[in-house]
Amino acid sequence: DSGVTQTPKHLITATGQRVTLRCSPRSGDLSVYWYQQSLDQGLQFLIQYYNGEERAKGNILERFSAQQFPDLHSELNLSSLELGDSALYFCASSATPGDLSYGYTFGSGTRLTVV
Amino acid sequence: QKEVEQDPGPLSVPEGAIVSLNCTYSNSAFQYFMWYRQYSRKGPELLMYTYSSGNKEDGRFTAQVDKSSKYISLFIRDSQPSDSATYLCAMRRFTGGGNKLTFGTGTQLKVEL
Repeated sequence: DSGVTQTPKHLITATGQRVTLRCSPRSGDLSVYWYQQSLDQGLQFLIQYYNGEERAKGNILERFSAQQFPDLHSELNLSSLELGDSALYFCASSATPGDLSYGYTFGSGTRLTVV
Repeated sequence: QKEVEQDPGPLSVPEGAIVSLNCTYSNSAFQYFMWYRQYSRKGPELLMYTYSSGNKEDGRFTAQVDKSSKYISLFIRDSQPSDSATYLCAMRRFTGGGNKLTFGTGTQLKVEL
């Protein structure tokens, strides 16, 4: 157990729907990162939050949004889902934005299937 | 062209072999380099982390960085079936970029008995 908790583990939904993925970072970590992993694109950075504030944005679609709450858990919202959104979504955490001595700690991911 | 290139494999080796995994990158701003291991249906886990050019050893694993050639390698000695996984290189800039990591697509390794 890495200490980063992601729920749900699996999600199957229809095109056009909206889903919310949840992440609880490792105890003491203030920074949360969201990544999308697909077979052809590998791990793609979506967005980073630090202590409740957005810190960096990657190639995140406008249909996707995220937030980090005061208790530091984070949610990734995906709306108007398309077949191409099917992927593994990972959350990772680190102690501070600059502390990468030990890299990120990843959760086990949420496997999203859009049908 | 992707910022980080990694041969996807798959790479199949016999138990006990020395494995060499490689990544090339195009952005000279990358200063921190990492290797992650990802088992099927699991999240990536950090194996090695290095900043400077040269070699860094940790048990059976050696990470090598050549910044002048923009080339990094991971060597696995005495490979074991339990090393069968996908290996991802990752890197980030010294400052800026929100400290995001840029990953290679991963190399799938299978160590056979």
